[in-house]
Amino acid sequence: DAGVTQSPTHLIKTRGQHVTLRCSPISGHKSVSWYQQVLGQGPQFIFQYYEKEERGRGNFPDRFSARQFPNYSSELNVNALLLGDSALYLCASSVQLAAQGETQYFGPGTRLLVL
Amino acid sequence: QQQVKQSPQSLIVQKGGISIINCAYENTAFDYFPWYQQFPGKGPALLIAIRPDVSEKKEGRFTISFNKSAKQFSLHIMDSQPGDSATYFCAAIPRGGSTLGRLYFGRGTQLTVWP
Repeated sequence: DAGVTQSPTHLIKTRGQHVTLRCSPISGHKSVSWYQQVLGQGPQFIFQYYEKEERGRGNFPDRFSARQFPNYSSELNVNALLLGDSALYLCASSVQLAAQGETQYFGPGTRLLVL
Repeated sequence: QQQVKQSPQSLIVQKGGISIINCAYENTAFDYFPWYQQFPGKGPALLIAIRPDVSEKKEGRFTISFNKSAKQFSLHIMDSQPGDSATYFCAAIPRGGSTLGRLYFGRGTQLTVWP
């Protein structure tokens, strides 16, 4: 079975632009979470979606938004890009709403560079 | 504010030696503690996890030790191998509320095992 897939793998944007990152969860998984991993640090939680509804939001500005589609795939959108948005963006999926004991499987990430 | 503190930042161990990575937390709402392994260019992969009602969990060469009263837990890698060279993250998940299912990561430990 395919794991979590993300596209694109790499992306270069300039300040002020908009970016859309895409994630396809493992088949049968209904929950998708997004994390930002800045170089040299651990991933930071951005959003969690379950059954197409937002179930959690981390400490990120409103420039960050996301949605989950009927097929459980997800998009992360970032508007008005800043240099500080340069990071690896990770998508994780789980069968149910991620909670104790619910394993979250991560994709390989999308590396975003903002110039 | 880093809710999960991890040390050391980097670790160099000889092949066959024991690698030890330590983590500490303050939030008593955390009740599930996974460890993730990340290779360059890949997303984090779940290695082993523990609940706070267990003091130790062993899976092959990997052992988690958990001290609930001290709010500390550690990963021990026995008989470390060059293939274990990766970045290791400890994490914690709260039991419920608005932050349900959210992974809080440590900053990571870059482990190098030399032959």
